[in-house]
Amino acid sequence: GAVVSQHPSWVICKSGTSVKIECRSLDFQATTMFWYRQFPKQSLMLMATSNEGSKATYEQGVEKDKFLINHASLTLSTLTVTSAHPEDSSFYICSARNPSGGYNEQFFGPGTRLTVL
Amino acid sequence: GESVGLHLPTLSVQEGDNSIINCAYSNSASDYFIWYKQESGKGPQFIIDIRSNMDKRQGQRVTVLLNKTVKHLSLQIAATQPGDSAVYFCAEITGGYNKLIFGAGTRLAVHP
Repeated sequence: GAVVSQHPSWVICKSGTSVKIECRSLDFQATTMFWYRQFPKQSLMLMATSNEGSKATYEQGVEKDKFLINHASLTLSTLTVTSAHPEDSSFYICSARNPSGGYNEQFFGPGTRLTVL
Repeated sequence: GESVGLHLPTLSVQEGDNSIINCAYSNSASDYFIWYKQESGKGPQFIIDIRSNMDKRQGQRVTVLLNKTVKHLSLQIAATQPGDSAVYFCAEITGGYNKLIFGAGTRLAVHP
């Protein structure tokens, strides 16, 4: 299947700082990318849908000013956790959808583990 | 047997046995479903999918069953192997952007 990368794979930061996570589709152009967060022993919760060249669509209860999403190119979406706090510590996973493929053409990145001290 | 943990239920099976993992989905209008496997510290991997106009689909060692009447999916893994140990999630496609909504997940533990 297609490859989606995330960077960094893990990050530790101090409370109050901002952290940027990158999601790249390496071998296809993704007009749509998705961002999820996953707490330990829980399921993936969709945070937002990121569309190239337009504003992201956030799920109910997700603060758009807290989690800034930028999808500036067809192969890159970024998630910035602003003024991070310990409760933002989580596993953040992106996925990218291949627009020329079927419903199953949505590929996941390896995830980024964020720890806020 | 099957037990319910703090968050994720766990299914423990012996190597070589068949495994059945169940999932309830929420939206009766969803028309596409996918099973994913997630190993520790990694992103989900596609296993098998099924459209709502089907009730069964088979892959290599895996079978997905769909019961739309009760909004229930199951994943059957034949001859379970230690490498199958992971957390399994069902997901439904919904919405205009084909959003994936994940179910609660089940941890599969395969014992030699």
